[in-house]
Amino acid sequence: QKEVEQNSGPLSVPEGAIASLNCTYSDRGSQSFFWYRQYSGKSPELIMFIYSNGDKEDGRFTAQLNKASQYVSLLIRDSQPSDSATYLCAVNPQYGNKLVFGAGTILRVKS
Amino acid sequence: NAGVTQTPKFRILKIGQSMTLQCTQDMNHNYMYWYRQDPGMGLKLIYYSVGAGITDKGEVPNGYNVSRSTTEDFPLRLELAAPSQTSVYFCASKNDGTYVLSVANVLTFGAGSRLTVL
Repeated sequence: QKEVEQNSGPLSVPEGAIASLNCTYSDRGSQSFFWYRQYSGKSPELIMFIYSNGDKEDGRFTAQLNKASQYVSLLIRDSQPSDSATYLCAVNPQYGNKLVFGAGTILRVKS
Repeated sequence: NAGVTQTPKFRILKIGQSMTLQCTQDMNHNYMYWYRQDPGMGLKLIYYSVGAGITDKGEVPNGYNVSRSTTEDFPLRLELAAPSQTSVYFCASKNDGTYVLSVANVLTFGAGSRLTVL
């Protein structure tokens, strides 16, 4: 089992819709969780991080964490074509200071 | 404030050649990391460092070496390049060992170095 799993996509949504990106992780003791956005040919950039169960909102983005189910998600409301990118889920395991990344989900927002 | 600077941006190597990817950060970060990203894949950790003089292996260290003589610099050495090392390499840094709870304490990435081994 991979440590951090994401559906590779592509996930296609129409402009203005809600995009839902999902991630599961294997280390039950993981402490903190991150969503990065990566445009083609660019480096990852942080969108949000979350460490408590529940929801965390920042503008059009909402991160959701369920530690019991070992599941973290990212919702993007009012999706825009500029949101088209690869979204990487990253998890900080219980031991160590090394983020573990998922393979990423490709999101395509169609106008 | 330049952040994390990587050089070169692009490089083509022949099989068996060696080279060094340079990484410099000007944020006085203690922790530095080297990742590689293959097409359609996430980032895999090669090596990391928790401070000057201290380095440790990540998930995929074979074929690479690192050193950390200063806080600012964390070069990645490729010895005897192989086609399997064709990838995009990212250097990243952060302030300290905790991943919580400040946005200032998350990874800052360099722009990446695209390496092709033929």
